[in-house]
Order: sequence, then C-alpha cells, then structure tokens
Amino acid sequence: AQTVTQSQPEMSVQEAETVTLSCTYDTSESDYYLFWYKQPPSRQMILVIRQEAYKQQNATENRFSVNFQKAAKSFSLKISDSQLGDAAMYFCAYRSEVGNEKLTFGTGTRLTIIP
Amino acid sequence: EAGVAQSPRYKIIEKRQSVAFWCNPISGHATLYWYQQILGQGPKLLIQFQNNGVVDDSQLPKDRFSAERLKGVDSTLKIQPAKLEDSAVYLCASSFTGRGPEAFFGQGTRLTVV
Repeated sequence: AQTVTQSQPEMSVQEAETVTLSCTYDTSESDYYLFWYKQPPSRQMILVIRQEAYKQQNATENRFSVNFQKAAKSFSLKISDSQLGDAAMYFCAYRSEVGNEKLTFGTGTRLTIIP
Repeated sequence: EAGVAQSPRYKIIEKRQSVAFWCNPISGHATLYWYQQILGQGPKLLIQFQNNGVVDDSQLPKDRFSAERLKGVDSTLKIQPAKLEDSAVYLCASSFTGRGPEAFFGQGTRLTVV
C-alpha cells in the first residue's frame, strides 16, 4: 500500500517571501501522479499542482512549483511571493496511474502567512 | 461549469441517531468518491463509485455506513447509528476518467456527534 508523509505540521512565512513544504511517499509502482491540494477554512480541497511520475520536468503553476525527486520519493512544493490568500492547510496526495484512482493523502501542513 | 455540490454544510446529531449526506458531482463525471477527514488528519477514502457501481469500499464501516449512487449521478452517504468517532468532515469528489487524473472536491459536510 502507498503511504504519504508530511513531516511539517505547521509552517509560517513572511508575506512576499518563499516557502517550501515537504512531502515524501512510499510506493512500489513506477507510474503514478502526485498532487498538492490546498484546503482553506471553507474546507473545499482545491488543486494547486500535479506531477506525472514519468515526466522529468518539474511542474509549475504561476507562483507554485514542485521539486520532484523520483528516486528519493520526494515531492516538495515551493510557493514564491507568498500572499495572504495562500494561508491554508496543504495536503500532498498520491494516485496510481493504473487501477484504482483513489487519492492517498498525507496529514497536511498548516501554512501561516505573516503580514 | 458547476462544481461538486454537497449538503448539508453542517450537521449536529446525538450518538445512535442516523444522518445522511448528499452529493451531486460535476456533470459528466463518472467517478464519485466519499472521503472522511477527521480533525488533524488527511482525507481517507470511504467508497468509490464508477457510474453506479462500487469500485472500492474496503475502508467503509459497513455495519453502520452505507452509500448509494442511483442512476450514476447523485450519491447519498448514510450513517446509522452514529458514534462519537464519526465526527469528521465528509468530502465528496468526482473525476472524469480520460480527461486528466484530477479529482474535484465539494465543500464538505462537517458532522458533529454528541
């Protein structure tokens, strides 16, 4: 079974600065997807960014980018130019490419933005 | 495109009572998921439907939880009887097989069992 570990329960960053959230995972599969979801107090999970395991290039979405290290099974999220609206819980998630499409989540990192 | 709709947003019940949650997925999404998110934890899959068939219900406590997806669209998750440890946020999500691996989530229902 796959597992996802987020070792930082809480992080804080000054507005306009850069922060990196860590995620490691364990799997025996070679084809899979990794995601970062954001969960604000409204509770709705919002997709931030996704990475296909077969792609060597790290995904980027505006101020959000990932550092995907397949051999190390590491998948960190970098948020540049942090904004107050970035404050939320961030969850790392894993999904197999074949078979069951369910998401396996980590325990989350609470990100606080300091004005 | 309308998102995943869930109701109610909040529910408070006493233990041993029953409760039901409703979910309407994004139009055309064949796959529907119910996740349970206990405070301080990541969401955990309870049940996954493909159209109106069950794909995975291995972590659904079947002695008290049930779910159905009639006609492959809306879904209902029921708990009967509820226990204190069922207090959680229940998230519904949907995805469109063949158009990207992303799942889209509703706003969830926060259940408090007292």
